[in-house]
Amino acid sequence: NAGVMQNPRHLVRRRGQEARLRCSPMKGHSHVYWYRQLPEEGLKFMVYLQKENIIDESGMPKERFSAEFPKEGPSILRIQQVVRGDSAAYFCASSPPQGTNTEAFFGQGTRLTVV
Amino acid sequence: DAKTTQPPSMDCAEGRAANLPCNHSTISGNEYVYWYRQIHSQGPQYIIHGLKNNETNEMASLIITEDRKSSTLILPHATLRDTAVYYCNRGGSNYKLTFGKGTLLTVNP
Repeated sequence: NAGVMQNPRHLVRRRGQEARLRCSPMKGHSHVYWYRQLPEEGLKFMVYLQKENIIDESGMPKERFSAEFPKEGPSILRIQQVVRGDSAAYFCASSPPQGTNTEAFFGQGTRLTVV
Repeated sequence: DAKTTQPPSMDCAEGRAANLPCNHSTISGNEYVYWYRQIHSQGPQYIIHGLKNNETNEMASLIITEDRKSSTLILPHATLRDTAVYYCNRGGSNYKLTFGKGTLLTVNP
């Protein structure tokens, strides 16, 4: 049973380009969460999704950021027109459908560098 | 704002128990206490969580005070591979967690 898979592991984008980060949850998991870790800071919650639904996006910046978790395929975190301040590690986590009071399993993260 | 308070760093000798404290004095009745750790540059790893009662699993024990205002994570026999940043969080669910600075635990040989 593979763990949470994130790709790419490292992503370099020029300012103004788009970044697309992918996350495949563990088998059988229907809840996906995205977090961002800025350099020298702790992780901060961004968004919680279930299949085809955004449940909680209270941690998402209001502009340029979007997330989806389609019926088929991985969850995608999209950042449009990236700026240097978007450089960070982005972690995805998943948990089973029993509810949110269970452990969440994290992927290894995507490290985005904006140059 | 993690709403929990942890010491920034601790040291522990290999083979000894590591006791990591956490204050969550404003925790509400339906909020759980969650512990995760992050080994350098890797994704966070779930350790344990609890509501009122003490909990134990293969990784650690969680001791929650009766008033629930603080808790202690216990690694009974720390190894060098337990060197990591340990995050204590509180919340009604396991997802909307804001990880603060945590405690950097260094296990020394």
